[in-house]
Amino acid sequence: GESVGLHLPTLSVQEGDNSIINCAYSNSASDYFIWYKQESGKGPQFIIDIRSNMDKRQGQRVTVLLNKTVKHLSLQIAATQPGDSAVYFCAEREEGAGNMLTFGGGTRLMVKP
Amino acid sequence: GAGVSQSPSNKVTEKGKDVELRCDPISGHTALYWYRQSLGQGLEFLIYFQGNSAPDKSGLPSDRFSAERTGGSVSTLTIQRTQQEDSAVYLCASSLIRGAGDTQYFGPGTRLTVL
Repeated sequence: GESVGLHLPTLSVQEGDNSIINCAYSNSASDYFIWYKQESGKGPQFIIDIRSNMDKRQGQRVTVLLNKTVKHLSLQIAATQPGDSAVYFCAEREEGAGNMLTFGGGTRLMVKP
Repeated sequence: GAGVSQSPSNKVTEKGKDVELRCDPISGHTALYWYRQSLGQGLEFLIYFQGNSAPDKSGLPSDRFSAERTGGSVSTLTIQRTQQEDSAVYLCASSLIRGAGDTQYFGPGTRLTVL
């Protein structure tokens, strides 16, 4: 993904609604993807990951969907809570090309009570 | 057990001074990574250590940046002759082993401000 500079895309949702955060990745050879949540003043926190041989993976209140055809990743959060307010980053990794993660620019999720 | 810790949490320095940032990875994690996060942006990879292998320095932005990892554990990122554009949050992460599917756990970061 590309950095969006100082102005992060922002998604504003009502508490209790479902949230969908999208990410377009750039490397068709990437075979592993991760979503991180970053709260203000903290480091990124792992949420959920998915390998490229899968198209869906579910966790607790979160689901990640992978569409390799269009190189698109999404994070769905069910019954969004105020504690979900944070910046969400997707990251991709290509096995065999180093172990570093390539991060997208992030999306700010704001949950209205 | 304890997570990744970093120190200091905040560092303010004057342009031209050298700074050292410290990272204590999770005990037993063999891989250690440094990233930089500028205001409102995603994370930029800097350097990666795996066991006793030579580090992957491909992300270091200039020769003013260097990092060491002593005894396969603690790492220090050094920035010499700091510039204002070095101002950012420097994040360290560690993982148990190298390879796809290996989760990186991040520390809280060090916020560096160069005046």
